[in-house]
Amino acid sequence: DTGVSQDPRHKITKRGQNVTFRCDPISEHNRLYWYRQTLGQGPEFLTYFQNEAQLEKSRLLSDRFSAERPKGSFSTLEIQRTEQGDSAMYLCASSPTSGKNIQYFGAGTRLSVL
Amino acid sequence: TQLLEQSPQFLSIQEGENLTVYCNSSSVFSSLQWYRQEPGEGPVLLVTVVTGGEVKKLKRLTFQFGDARKDSSLHITAAQPGDTGLYLCAGINWGKLQFGAGTQVVVTP
Repeated sequence: DTGVSQDPRHKITKRGQNVTFRCDPISEHNRLYWYRQTLGQGPEFLTYFQNEAQLEKSRLLSDRFSAERPKGSFSTLEIQRTEQGDSAMYLCASSPTSGKNIQYFGAGTRLSVL
Repeated sequence: TQLLEQSPQFLSIQEGENLTVYCNSSSVFSSLQWYRQEPGEGPVLLVTVVTGGEVKKLKRLTFQFGDARKDSSLHITAAQPGDTGLYLCAGINWGKLQFGAGTQVVVTP
């Protein structure tokens, strides 16, 4: 399967713990996006990378959140000192630079903060 | 806050019936996309509409983009259980997607 893959698929953690999610985009896709989706809502944009450069961050991305894409391939999203309000599905998407706004989504990581 | 409003929020119909879901905004978008999302999966792109007044057909699905490029509709003819899912619209400006909250469609046999 050469689609976008995310790991883990599910994560249960206690409030105050740190968590890290990984996203492997489609090979050779330059752009990588992170979204958050809560129950009953559509995905909300968090941040995006063009190769290794983080070009935009949403106001939703508090200072407890950090994303990296060190070699322009896979990306990680870390949440420090998790709060119950962080419980959501975290989706990753990738697209080629010339993709005419076509983003391919992974299956997401569902985070539950107890 | 979702800038795109989708209606209805939930729709339950019998197999063989038709349905229409709507996506409305006060903002103009350069283009608009429709996605379907199934439980535990990411959204999958169905169509992109670009031109005001454009109509696109994908088998039993018909997508329309409003003349002013602020609204769109998705019509499904003779719905099947496999059409069950969350239908999301997303407006695009400067390469950035803004999603609506979605319409949950359930088609029962």
